[in-house]
Amino acid sequence: NAGVMQNPRHLVRRRGQEARLRCSPMKGHSHVYWYRQLPEEGLKFMVYLQKENIIDESGMPKERFSAEFPKEGPSILRIQQVVRGDSAAYFCASSPLFGGQGMSLAFFGQGTRLTVV
Amino acid sequence: DQQVKQNSPSLSVQEGRISILNCDYTNSMFDYFLWYKKYPAEGPTFLISISSIKDKNEDGRFTVFLNKSAKHLSLHIVPSQPGDSAVYFCAASEEGGSEKLVFGKGTKLTVNP
Repeated sequence: NAGVMQNPRHLVRRRGQEARLRCSPMKGHSHVYWYRQLPEEGLKFMVYLQKENIIDESGMPKERFSAEFPKEGPSILRIQQVVRGDSAAYFCASSPLFGGQGMSLAFFGQGTRLTVV
Repeated sequence: DQQVKQNSPSLSVQEGRISILNCDYTNSMFDYFLWYKKYPAEGPTFLISISSIKDKNEDGRFTVFLNKSAKHLSLHIVPSQPGDSAVYFCAASEEGGSEKLVFGKGTKLTVNP
C-alpha cells in the first residue's frame, strides 16, 4: 500500500510563473489536506478537500492559490504568478476519517519544496 | 498570534535518559492534541495523541501528558534513543471535529550516543 505521493519533490519557478503541486492520497483515503511550512515555522493549514469538493479553504491566500481534488486523479494545489514569499515546503496529508481524531490516522507525503527565484 | 507554542527550539539529551518536550496553547477551544516527528526532507509522522478528556496517554516509550488548567502538554520519551533525533511538532484541533490542525514551530531533539 503506497503512502501519500507528492510530486515533484522539488520545484523551481521564476517569479510570475505558475506552480502545480500534485498529491495522490493513500488508497481508501477520501480526505485530503494541504499544509504549508515556511522556513523556521510550523505547518500551517491551507485547505481541506474531499473528492470534487472543497470543504474548508480558510487557510488559503485569497489570491493566486487554488486547489482541487477531482473525481479521478490526484489533488492539485495551483499557485499562479508565484512570488518569492511562496517559497516553502508544501505538504499533503490524507486520512480515512474526518476531524482532529482523523488526523491521528492521517499520513503526510514527503512534501514539495518550492523555490521561487 | 501563535495559538500553539513550543518555546524550546532545541533540546539535547543523552541516550537512555528521558526527553521532555513541552507545548503550550492559548485557545481553550482546542480539545484534541497530537505530536508529530519529522526528519529532514520528509513529511511529519504521527506519534501519539490525547483527547482533552484525558490527562495522560502512553504508547511504548512515548507518553503525552495534558494539563488543561495550565493549557500545557508535554511529550516524554524514555529511554531516549539516537534514532529519536528529529524535530517534534505539537499540534491541536478545536472541539467539534475540526479538521484543521494548528502546529507549533517545533523542537529539534538531539539524542547523543
